[in-house]
Amino acid sequence: DIVMTQSPPSLPVTPGEPASISCRSSQSLLHSRGDNYLDWYLQKPGQSPQLLIYLGSNRASGVPDRFSGSGSDTDFTLRISRVEAEDVGVYYCMQALQSPRTFGQGTKLEIK
Amino acid sequence: EVQLVESGGGLVQPGRSLRLSCAASGFRFDDFVMHWVRQAPGKGLEWISSISWNSGSIVYGDSVKGRFTISRDNAKNSLYLQMNSLRADDTALYYCVKDTAAILPVFNAYYYGMDVWGQGTTVTVS
Repeated sequence: DIVMTQSPPSLPVTPGEPASISCRSSQSLLHSRGDNYLDWYLQKPGQSPQLLIYLGSNRASGVPDRFSGSGSDTDFTLRISRVEAEDVGVYYCMQALQSPRTFGQGTKLEIK
Repeated sequence: EVQLVESGGGLVQPGRSLRLSCAASGFRFDDFVMHWVRQAPGKGLEWISSISWNSGSIVYGDSVKGRFTISRDNAKNSLYLQMNSLRADDTALYYCVKDTAAILPVFNAYYYGMDVWGQGTTVTVS
């Protein structure tokens, strides 16, 4: 199975400041067609997870452009250019290249 | 409105069975792969099973393989999870999740993430 490792586990951020979350996979998520099968999901407090980013760098419909995804192969990053109060929650990366799909352990973003 | 509504959760004794259902609406159910993902209390997300649009491809996580069975009825726009031989560590909130691909593996299809999640149904094994 592909192991997904996120850091940091907890991320306190001042509103208006940027934030960055790292996700590393134990195997390459880069398919021969050129796409990285890495998604980012946000689970806000008391809610179901929601899709933020798919294929490493593509924002899902309705996701604000302050969110961006980057990276390739085994190293990926989710960036929030200016954190807002509504961004609090747990962020998960997930690989969709192989079954079983596997999630990172999550990064809890909180407001300072 | 695109919606997934899970049902069937509850309190069950170890070793017993339970069947979860997920009712889909607002989209062409038979066009997409569907998943079950669970979350134990205070823990992260765990994918447990996927089924392709025509049930031709089914995969399970090791933790449930041989005990759980995923199925779908496209005529009823419904996804199911038959859970047998339940254990205490199956206690979790179970989410029904819609994929954007129709087939598995998704790199053989157009893939835009897992874009719709239900509100979950709670299973407690005790």
